[in-house]
Order: sequence, then C-alpha cells, then structure tokens
Amino acid sequence: EDQVTQSPEALRLQEGESSSLNCSYTVSGLRGLFWYRQDPGKGPEFLFTLYSAGEEKEKERLKATLTKKESFLHITAPKPEDSATYLCAVQRGNTPLVFGKGTRLSVIA
Amino acid sequence: EPEVTQTPSHQVTQMGQEVILRCVPISNHLYFYWYRQILGQKVEFLVSFYNNEISEKSEIFDDQFSVERPDGSNFTLKIRSTKLEDSAMYFCASSKERANYGYTFGSGTRLTVV
Repeated sequence: EDQVTQSPEALRLQEGESSSLNCSYTVSGLRGLFWYRQDPGKGPEFLFTLYSAGEEKEKERLKATLTKKESFLHITAPKPEDSATYLCAVQRGNTPLVFGKGTRLSVIA
Repeated sequence: EPEVTQTPSHQVTQMGQEVILRCVPISNHLYFYWYRQILGQKVEFLVSFYNNEISEKSEIFDDQFSVERPDGSNFTLKIRSTKLEDSAMYFCASSKERANYGYTFGSGTRLTVV
C-alpha cells in the first residue's frame, strides 16, 4: 500500500524565517510526486510535480526537491500570505493521487 | 485561468436522504475524480471516471455512491442514503492526462448530515 507521511504536522514561523517541510513516501514505481497548497475551506491548489530523484522545481519563495525516499518543500523568507496547509501526494503508475495529511504552516508578521 | 466549479458550496441534509453534488470540470480535461476530506483528516480518493465509465474506485465508494456525466459538461456524485459519517468536504478534480499531470481541484462542497 502506498504511504505518504508529512512532517511536521504544524509549523509556526516568523516572517522571513526560512524552513523546510518533509514528505516521506513508500511507493513502488513512483510516477510522480505532487505538492499542493490548501487554504481553509478551499480545494487543493497545484504547486509542483517532481518525477525523478534529483529534480528541483521553484516558484517564488518555494522550492521542491526529490530523493528516492522523500521530498522537501523549502520556504525561503516566508510571508504571512504563505500561511496554508501544504499537501504532498504521490502517483504510482496510472493510479489516482494518494495524499499525505499535510503540514499546517503559520507565518507570523 | 480555467477552473473546476462545484455546486452547492454547502449542503445540509437529513440522515437517510439522497444528495447530489455537482461539478463542472475544465472543458478540455478527460479524467475526472471525486475526493473527500473529513474535518482534520487527509484528502481521500473516492472514484475516477474516464470515457463515461468508472476507471477506479476506493473501498469508501460503496453501493451508496454513484457518479454520472449526464451531459457534456457536468459530473455528479450521488449519495443515495446519507449517513452521519458522510459529513465531509467533497472535492471534484479533473486532469488532462491520466498520469504525470497535476489535478485541478474545485473549491469543494461541504456536506453536513444531521
């Protein structure tokens, strides 16, 4: 069974304080790893897809990296508007995405 | 930017009643999904739909649930006899490809069964 574990469950940062979120996965035949952002009461919003170990993707203050066992979402100099829950999901072959529980990020001004 | 539209945004129903949740996927997407999220828990897969038939479903998607694409634009999830434990956010998603492509999610329908 595919497993996705995200840590920490919650993270509180001061504005400008950089940090990383972790997504560990157990998937045989990973097709892709996806990062989403979810605001309260809203649907997940697509951020990145990573396909192979060593790959990196960047978008504004976010950078996602991938190894054979885990992915990191690095947040550089976060702002209060980056506060959200960040979800990691994996895809094996053509199967639907399987999500982790997410990391709830709060950035305090 | 194209969006997935879900209606209603909130639905309150009596236990045992039937509900239909509606979705309009992105027009050039071919693969459609329903996920649900119980409060405080993770986003869980329910069912995927392609070429007018179910392509995969989870253990959650039992005989109480059904999906339909009644016309060229709408995609619906029906729960025949709702239970208290069906209370959750229900998200519709669509994708252009089956793999290697991020899903676009709607804003969800909050279903409350009382």
